[in-house]
Amino acid sequence: AQTVTQSQPEMSVQEAETVTLSCTYDTSESNYYLFWYKQPPSRQMILVIRQEAYKQQNATENRFSVNFQKAAKSFSLKISDSQLGDTAMYFCAFIGGSQGNLIFGKGTKLSVKP
Amino acid sequence: GAGVSQSPSNKVTEKGKDVELRCDPISGHTALYWYRQSLGQGLEFLIYFQGNSAPDKSGLPSDRFSAERTGGSVSTLTIQRTQQEDSAVYLCASSLNQFRGMNTEAFFGQGTRLTVV
Repeated sequence: AQTVTQSQPEMSVQEAETVTLSCTYDTSESNYYLFWYKQPPSRQMILVIRQEAYKQQNATENRFSVNFQKAAKSFSLKISDSQLGDTAMYFCAFIGGSQGNLIFGKGTKLSVKP
Repeated sequence: GAGVSQSPSNKVTEKGKDVELRCDPISGHTALYWYRQSLGQGLEFLIYFQGNSAPDKSGLPSDRFSAERTGGSVSTLTIQRTQQEDSAVYLCASSLNQFRGMNTEAFFGQGTRLTVV
């Protein structure tokens, strides 16, 4: 069975600084997708970034980038130039293989301080 | 509609009553997911549908929980004889394709906040 682990329940960062959120996963599948979702206090889940396992290049979306280490089964999210609006819960997610189920980690609560 | 719609947005029910939660996915999306989120917690997987069939029901907490999907579109999650521990936000998500190609992004509804008193 696939699992997703986020080992940092809470983190904080000063505005304009950089922060990295950790995620590890476990799977026997060779092809899969990984995602980072953001959930602000409004409760609406928003996709931040995604990575396909067969692509070696790390995905980037503006201030958000990932460090995908397939052999280590690690998928961290780096947020550069943090903004107050980045304050939210961040969830790492995995989908792949025959199961087809979208599995989430327990989340990291990020607070950006002025 | 333009996005995933869930109804009701809030539901207060008495312990022991049955409730039905509804999810309208984005038109054309074949995969549909239900999750439960307790206050400040992560997303607990309940069930997912591919079309009208549910390949994985392993997350349903008990036999009081059931879900169905008709016409490859609307899904309802039913909780019978509700208990206080069922209080949570129930989130629904849909995606264009279960897992092939690029279209695997899941779009979420705003959720239904269920309170059992």
